[in-house]
Amino acid sequence: GAVVSQHPSWVICKSGTSVKIECRSLDFQATTMFWYRQFPKQSLMLMATSNEGSKATYEQGVEKDKFLINHASLTLSTLTVTSAHPEDSSFYICSAGRDSAIQYFGAGTRLSVL
Amino acid sequence: RKEVEQDPGPFNVPEGATVAFNCTYSNSASQSFFWYRQDCRKEPKLLMSVYSSGNEDGRFTAQLNRASQYISLLIRDSKLSDSATYLCVVGGGSSASKIIFGSGTRLSIRP
Repeated sequence: GAVVSQHPSWVICKSGTSVKIECRSLDFQATTMFWYRQFPKQSLMLMATSNEGSKATYEQGVEKDKFLINHASLTLSTLTVTSAHPEDSSFYICSAGRDSAIQYFGAGTRLSVL
Repeated sequence: RKEVEQDPGPFNVPEGATVAFNCTYSNSASQSFFWYRQDCRKEPKLLMSVYSSGNEDGRFTAQLNRASQYISLLIRDSKLSDSATYLCVVGGGSSASKIIFGSGTRLSIRP
């Protein structure tokens, strides 16, 4: 099956620093990728749709200046959490689809902001 | 009303039992339907796609009723390894279509 790689899998940072998370489609090209956030015991919430070569589309309530998304190639999208604070601590997951509506997920990044 | 609603759970059943999950969705224009499984602290993994004709994969059977906007998942002869959270997922018709997750139903299988 399609493989989506996400890095890093786990990061701890100090409050106020920025953290970049990478999402790569390893064996296919993805013009669209999705970023989700999941808090403990809750479901995945879509944060934004990452579009290759154009601006990301953010869901209501998600600050675009805080969660910077860059989709510079057909195999790579990055999410940067800028000036992270403890309330940003969460599980961030990306996904990409190949040639159908089925989404393949990265392994997720667990972010802890101290 | 949530776009995708699932049984609240949790379900705690003995090994070997049959368990059924239900899900309803609000957007009648939805075109793709899935059940994903998510283990604790892991990413969701596709369990199966769901079609109007119904589909079966071993011990798992999924059904879609478009008229009622209802999706179901049946697990027969449950195993300890089936313990997980099951996510009902609804989306559009292409890889560029965003998908909406239900809140998930937690299943625990006891020996």
